[in-house]
Amino acid sequence: SQQGEEDPQALSIQEGENATMNCSYKTSINNLQWYRQNSGRGLVHLILIRSNEREKHSGRLRVTLDTSKKSSSLLITASRAADTASYFCATDNNNAGNMLTFGGGTRLMVKP
Amino acid sequence: NAGVMQNPRHLVRRRGQEARLRCSPMKGHSHVYWYRQLPEEGLKFMVYLQKENIIDESGMPKERFSAEFPKEGPSILRIQQVVRGDSAAYFCASSLNRENEQFFGPGTRLTVL
Repeated sequence: SQQGEEDPQALSIQEGENATMNCSYKTSINNLQWYRQNSGRGLVHLILIRSNEREKHSGRLRVTLDTSKKSSSLLITASRAADTASYFCATDNNNAGNMLTFGGGTRLMVKP
Repeated sequence: NAGVMQNPRHLVRRRGQEARLRCSPMKGHSHVYWYRQLPEEGLKFMVYLQKENIIDESGMPKERFSAEFPKEGPSILRIQQVVRGDSAAYFCASSLNRENEQFFGPGTRLTVL
């Protein structure tokens, strides 16, 4: 699998339900970032979690990081139709270039 | 404080023409990154620049592609002699320093006819 690979690839839920997306990576990281992308639009930064952090919250978003398992999860609670989008995790692998390595994304659909 | 700005938002070129994509980072940001996104895929890193310097261009094709970030003005991604396979969305991001979040622009959608 690729660095920063999301699971599931697609998720469909009802409004009000929680949505959980997972991300796995292979190499050591400085930090991991989650982004949202609406269809045909740019990326919106959601949360950055550093390698020495285990959990972070922002509004209805909760991100966890398990460096021993090289995985992260994004939980969206009480989902809304407006949360419909693609969600990407991206890892900063402490490389000289500071590039972010993105996974293929999870396409979330929240039905009203 | 305006976010990252990219222009044009849409660009149509015929095979063999040149494409110039511009990116103005957020105010105060001196680190600029270019990524390419093919349909239904995640973003792929192309190049990382700081003012007047290319730091990492490991993701950029060796031929036809070049990038610059001059002392004054926006960063430019230049694609010479475009081919149909260059059709994609090109995103620019900027950060305050290399440990901070990268903020993305709205992208330029390049279509090569």
